[in-house]
Amino acid sequence: DIQMTQSPSSLSASVGDRVTLTCRASQSITTYLNWYQQKAGKAPKLLIYATSLLQSGVPSRFSGSGSGTDFTLTISNLQPEDFATYYCQQTYSLPDTFGQGTKLDIK
Amino acid sequence: QVTLRESGPALVKPTQTLTLTCTFSGFSLNINGMCVSWVRQAPGKAPEWLARIDWDDDRHYSTSLKARLTISKDTPKNQVVLTMTNMDPVDTGTYYCARTRRGAVAGGLIDHWGQGTLVTVSS
Repeated sequence: DIQMTQSPSSLSASVGDRVTLTCRASQSITTYLNWYQQKAGKAPKLLIYATSLLQSGVPSRFSGSGSGTDFTLTISNLQPEDFATYYCQQTYSLPDTFGQGTKLDIK
Repeated sequence: QVTLRESGPALVKPTQTLTLTCTFSGFSLNINGMCVSWVRQAPGKAPEWLARIDWDDDRHYSTSLKARLTISKDTPKNQVVLTMTNMDPVDTGTYYCARTRRGAVAGGLIDHWGQGTLVTVSS
Protein backbone atom coordinates (compact mmCIF):
# COMPACT_ATOMS: atom_id res chain seq x y z
CA ASP A 1 0.00 0.00 0.00
CA ILE A 2 1.12 3.57 -0.65
CA GLN A 3 1.79 5.52 2.54
CA MET A 4 0.81 9.19 2.73
CA THR A 5 2.58 11.46 5.22
CA GLN A 6 1.32 14.95 6.02
CA SER A 7 3.20 17.76 7.71
CA PRO A 8 2.88 19.48 9.99
CA SER A 9 0.41 17.49 12.07
CA SER A 10 -0.91 20.75 13.49
CA LEU A 11 -0.59 24.39 12.59
CA SER A 12 -1.70 27.62 14.22
CA ALA A 13 -2.46 30.63 12.07
CA SER A 14 -4.43 33.84 12.06
CA VAL A 15 -7.27 35.09 9.91
CA GLY A 16 -5.78 36.62 6.78
CA ASP A 17 -2.64 34.47 6.83
CA ARG A 18 -1.38 32.31 4.00
CA VAL A 19 -0.57 28.72 4.97
CA THR A 20 0.94 25.76 3.16
CA LEU A 21 0.26 22.15 4.07
CA THR A 22 2.44 19.34 2.76
CA CYS A 23 1.70 15.75 1.76
CA ARG A 24 4.29 13.18 0.71
CA ALA A 25 3.66 9.79 -0.91
CA SER A 26 5.87 6.75 -0.32
CA GLN A 27 6.15 6.29 -4.10
CA SER A 28 5.19 8.27 -7.17
CA ILE A 29 1.47 8.85 -7.57
CA THR A 30 1.87 11.21 -10.54
CA THR A 31 -0.95 13.73 -9.89
CA TYR A 32 -3.55 11.39 -8.35
CA LEU A 33 -3.77 13.42 -5.16
CA ASN A 34 -6.89 14.86 -3.54
CA TRP A 35 -7.42 17.15 -0.57
CA TYR A 36 -10.33 17.04 1.86
CA GLN A 37 -11.41 19.38 4.62
CA GLN A 38 -13.11 18.01 7.71
CA LYS A 39 -14.81 19.87 10.53
CA ALA A 40 -15.73 18.31 13.85
CA GLY A 41 -18.64 15.90 13.62
CA LYS A 42 -18.93 16.23 9.85
CA ALA A 43 -17.95 14.13 6.87
CA PRO A 44 -14.88 15.17 4.88
CA LYS A 45 -15.49 17.60 2.05
CA LEU A 46 -13.64 17.45 -1.25
CA LEU A 47 -11.62 20.60 -1.92
CA ILE A 48 -9.10 19.77 -4.63
CA TYR A 49 -8.69 16.76 -6.88
CA ALA A 50 -6.02 15.63 -9.31
CA THR A 51 -3.48 17.77 -7.39
CA SER A 52 -4.69 21.17 -8.54
CA LEU A 53 -8.30 21.08 -9.75
CA LEU A 54 -10.73 22.99 -7.58
CA GLN A 55 -13.97 21.20 -6.74
CA SER A 56 -17.08 23.14 -7.73
CA GLY A 57 -18.08 25.67 -5.11
CA VAL A 58 -14.71 25.73 -3.33
CA PRO A 59 -13.27 29.25 -2.90
CA SER A 60 -10.32 30.19 -5.07
CA ARG A 61 -8.15 30.93 -2.00
CA PHE A 62 -7.54 27.17 -1.95
CA SER A 63 -4.91 25.89 -4.36
CA GLY A 64 -2.88 22.75 -4.83
CA SER A 65 0.34 21.81 -6.55
CA GLY A 66 2.91 19.07 -6.88
CA SER A 67 3.58 15.85 -8.71
CA GLY A 68 5.29 12.53 -8.12
CA THR A 69 5.70 12.24 -4.38
CA ASP A 70 5.46 15.81 -3.02
CA PHE A 71 2.32 17.90 -2.88
CA THR A 72 1.10 21.08 -1.23
CA LEU A 73 -2.21 22.66 -0.34
CA THR A 74 -2.08 26.43 0.04
CA ILE A 75 -4.78 28.51 1.63
CA SER A 76 -4.47 32.24 1.04
CA ASN A 77 -6.19 34.87 3.14
CA LEU A 78 -7.41 32.43 5.80
CA GLN A 79 -11.02 32.82 6.76
CA PRO A 80 -12.63 31.77 10.07
CA GLU A 81 -14.43 28.89 8.34
CA ASP A 82 -11.11 27.43 7.12
CA PHE A 83 -10.02 26.27 10.56
CA ALA A 84 -10.43 22.51 10.30
CA THR A 85 -8.48 19.33 9.67
CA TYR A 86 -7.14 18.66 6.19
CA TYR A 87 -6.43 15.25 4.70
CA CYS A 88 -4.68 14.26 1.52
CA GLN A 89 -5.61 11.05 -0.30
CA GLN A 90 -3.97 9.19 -3.15
CA THR A 91 -6.09 7.49 -5.79
CA TYR A 92 -3.22 6.31 -7.99
CA SER A 93 -3.21 2.76 -6.73
CA LEU A 94 -5.75 0.71 -4.81
CA PRO A 95 -6.23 0.59 -1.93
CA ASP A 96 -6.68 4.33 -1.83
CA THR A 97 -4.97 5.77 1.23
CA PHE A 98 -5.27 8.93 3.32
CA GLY A 99 -2.66 10.94 5.15
CA GLN A 100 -2.91 11.32 8.90
CA GLY A 101 -4.13 14.90 8.64
CA THR A 102 -3.08 18.45 9.47
CA LYS A 103 -5.16 20.26 12.06
CA LEU A 104 -5.33 23.99 11.37
CA ASP A 105 -6.39 26.08 14.32
CA ILE A 106 -6.63 29.72 15.22
CA LYS A 107 -3.57 31.34 16.77
CA GLN B 1 -28.88 16.38 -5.81
CA VAL B 2 -26.64 13.55 -4.62
CA THR B 3 -27.38 12.13 -1.18
CA LEU B 4 -26.17 9.06 0.66
CA ARG B 5 -27.34 7.66 3.96
CA GLU B 6 -25.78 4.89 6.04
CA SER B 7 -27.88 2.62 8.21
CA GLY B 8 -27.07 -0.22 10.54
CA PRO B 9 -26.60 -1.09 14.20
CA ALA B 10 -25.03 1.44 16.51
CA LEU B 11 -23.71 -1.25 18.82
CA VAL B 12 -22.27 -4.65 18.02
CA LYS B 13 -20.61 -7.23 20.23
CA PRO B 14 -17.09 -8.53 19.69
CA THR B 15 -16.94 -11.42 17.19
CA GLN B 16 -20.28 -10.41 15.64
CA THR B 17 -20.76 -9.49 11.99
CA LEU B 18 -21.56 -5.88 11.11
CA THR B 19 -23.90 -5.19 8.21
CA LEU B 20 -24.22 -1.63 6.94
CA THR B 21 -26.47 -0.41 4.18
CA CYS B 22 -25.89 2.67 2.06
CA THR B 23 -29.00 4.07 0.39
CA PHE B 24 -28.33 6.75 -2.16
CA SER B 25 -30.09 9.04 -4.60
CA GLY B 26 -29.13 11.47 -7.32
CA PHE B 27 -26.99 9.01 -9.27
CA SER B 28 -27.11 5.42 -10.48
CA LEU B 29 -24.67 2.56 -10.23
CA ASN B 30 -25.48 1.44 -13.76
CA ILE B 31 -23.63 4.44 -15.21
CA ASN B 32 -20.14 3.88 -16.54
CA GLY B 33 -17.57 5.13 -14.05
CA MET B 34 -19.90 5.35 -11.07
CA CYS B 35 -18.91 3.60 -7.83
CA VAL B 36 -19.64 3.57 -4.10
CA SER B 37 -16.92 3.40 -1.46
CA TRP B 38 -16.92 2.75 2.26
CA VAL B 39 -14.57 4.69 4.50
CA ARG B 40 -14.32 4.53 8.28
CA GLN B 41 -12.83 6.84 10.84
CA ALA B 42 -11.86 5.88 14.37
CA PRO B 43 -12.33 8.65 16.95
CA GLY B 44 -9.64 11.28 16.52
CA LYS B 45 -7.99 9.41 13.64
CA ALA B 46 -7.68 9.83 9.89
CA PRO B 47 -10.17 8.30 7.47
CA GLU B 48 -9.43 4.72 6.42
CA TRP B 49 -10.59 3.49 3.01
CA LEU B 50 -12.31 0.10 3.30
CA ALA B 51 -13.87 -1.02 0.05
CA ARG B 52 -15.34 0.05 -3.27
CA ILE B 53 -17.82 -1.45 -5.70
CA ASP B 54 -17.92 -0.28 -9.29
CA TRP B 55 -20.71 0.04 -11.87
CA ASP B 56 -19.44 -3.12 -13.59
CA ASP B 57 -19.55 -5.06 -10.27
CA ASP B 58 -15.78 -4.93 -9.86
CA ARG B 59 -14.96 -5.00 -6.10
CA HIS B 60 -11.91 -3.71 -4.28
CA TYR B 61 -10.88 -4.09 -0.63
CA SER B 62 -8.48 -2.76 1.96
CA THR B 63 -5.40 -4.94 2.05
CA SER B 64 -5.47 -5.40 5.81
CA LEU B 65 -9.23 -6.02 6.07
CA LYS B 66 -9.87 -7.93 2.87
CA ALA B 67 -10.52 -11.24 4.63
CA ARG B 68 -13.29 -9.70 6.75
CA LEU B 69 -15.09 -7.48 4.22
CA THR B 70 -17.74 -8.10 1.59
CA ILE B 71 -19.30 -5.36 -0.52
CA SER B 72 -22.34 -5.84 -2.73
CA LYS B 73 -24.88 -3.74 -4.58
CA ASP B 74 -28.55 -3.73 -5.45
CA THR B 75 -28.66 -1.37 -8.39
CA PRO B 76 -32.47 -1.10 -8.80
CA LYS B 77 -32.80 -0.27 -5.10
CA ASN B 78 -29.88 2.20 -5.15
CA GLN B 79 -28.24 0.41 -2.25
CA VAL B 80 -24.79 -0.87 -1.39
CA VAL B 81 -24.17 -3.23 1.51
CA LEU B 82 -20.94 -3.72 3.45
CA THR B 83 -20.42 -6.61 5.82
CA MET B 84 -17.51 -6.90 8.20
CA THR B 85 -17.00 -10.12 10.13
CA ASN B 86 -15.42 -10.79 13.50
CA MET B 87 -15.86 -7.27 14.87
CA ASP B 88 -13.43 -6.06 17.53
CA PRO B 89 -13.39 -2.98 19.77
CA VAL B 90 -10.67 -1.47 17.53
CA ASP B 91 -13.29 -1.38 14.76
CA THR B 92 -15.23 1.27 16.68
CA GLY B 93 -15.71 4.41 14.64
CA THR B 94 -17.83 6.30 12.16
CA TYR B 95 -18.53 4.45 8.93
CA TYR B 96 -19.19 6.49 5.80
CA CYS B 97 -20.43 5.53 2.38
CA ALA B 98 -19.47 7.83 -0.46
CA ARG B 99 -20.12 8.33 -4.12
CA THR B 100 -16.97 7.66 -6.11
CA ARG B 101 -16.31 8.45 -9.75
CA ARG B 102 -13.68 6.62 -11.73
CA GLY B 103 -11.97 8.70 -14.36
CA ALA B 104 -8.68 9.25 -16.14
CA VAL B 105 -7.83 12.41 -14.21
CA ALA B 106 -8.41 11.46 -10.61
CA GLY B 107 -8.73 7.68 -10.29
CA GLY B 108 -11.52 6.79 -7.90
CA LEU B 109 -12.59 10.22 -6.71
CA ILE B 110 -14.83 10.44 -3.64
CA ASP B 111 -16.91 13.56 -4.23
CA HIS B 112 -19.99 13.08 -2.04
CA TRP B 113 -20.15 11.56 1.43
CA GLY B 114 -22.95 10.34 3.63
CA GLN B 115 -23.29 11.78 7.11
CA GLY B 116 -21.76 8.65 8.60
CA THR B 117 -22.96 6.19 11.20
CA LEU B 118 -21.19 5.60 14.49
CA VAL B 119 -20.58 1.94 15.28
CA THR B 120 -19.40 0.94 18.72
CA VAL B 121 -18.00 -2.51 19.37
CA SER B 122 -18.43 -3.52 22.97
CA SER B 123 -19.66 -6.41 25.03
